[in-house]
Amino acid sequence: GDSVTQMEGPVTLSEEAFLTINCTYTATGYPSLFWYVQYPGEGLQLLLKATKADDKGSNKGFEATYRKETTSFHLEKGSVQVSDSAVYFCALSERNTDKLIFGTGTRLQVFP
Amino acid sequence: GAGVSQSPRYKVAKRGQDVALRCDPISGHVSLFWYQQALGQGPEFLTYFQNEAQLDKSGLPSDRFFAERPEGSVSTLKIQRTQQEDSAVYLCASSSGLLAGAYNEQFFGPGTRLTVL
Repeated sequence: GDSVTQMEGPVTLSEEAFLTINCTYTATGYPSLFWYVQYPGEGLQLLLKATKADDKGSNKGFEATYRKETTSFHLEKGSVQVSDSAVYFCALSERNTDKLIFGTGTRLQVFP
Repeated sequence: GAGVSQSPRYKVAKRGQDVALRCDPISGHVSLFWYQQALGQGPEFLTYFQNEAQLDKSGLPSDRFFAERPEGSVSTLKIQRTQQEDSAVYLCASSSGLLAGAYNEQFFGPGTRLTVL
């Protein structure tokens, strides 16, 4: 079945460092891809999405590009802040269904 | 109105007890989802409603799990004869469900943390 694999954490960075969190997927058809974020004590929030190959999703300085050839959707940010500390989940949904399939999550810790 | 709300936020049950978890979706949202998130894992799909119709229950782990949404708004996830492996955070999400063939953003509640002793 469909699945999402993302790098294990925690990822520990200093403020203003460059961030990459890897995500690859396995799916039949052409899924939509997402990054969700869970800040401490809060619910899951959609960070960004891409619905077709070569699309780039972006929000709050984060970016991810839908790469069909490598089945990847890596999350990047050029300069992280302490406030970015959270757990990040990569997810997919198959076309014509809103059901989400999540990866295991990657905890990001940013220190001043 | 406000976001998705869930109650209780925390529930401790003894093995074998029945529990009921409530979800209040965003007003007017057609679609409602339940997910189970074990410690250190990502959420896993349990079931999906469109209005009052349960269209997909393929993720329910056993017949001890039952979900309903009788009036197409509030939903209840019931777990009978709870087992220790049922310990997890149960997340509810709702979406407008209005965009046919396109992704409708899901808005998540804070979850109910269930601990089975």
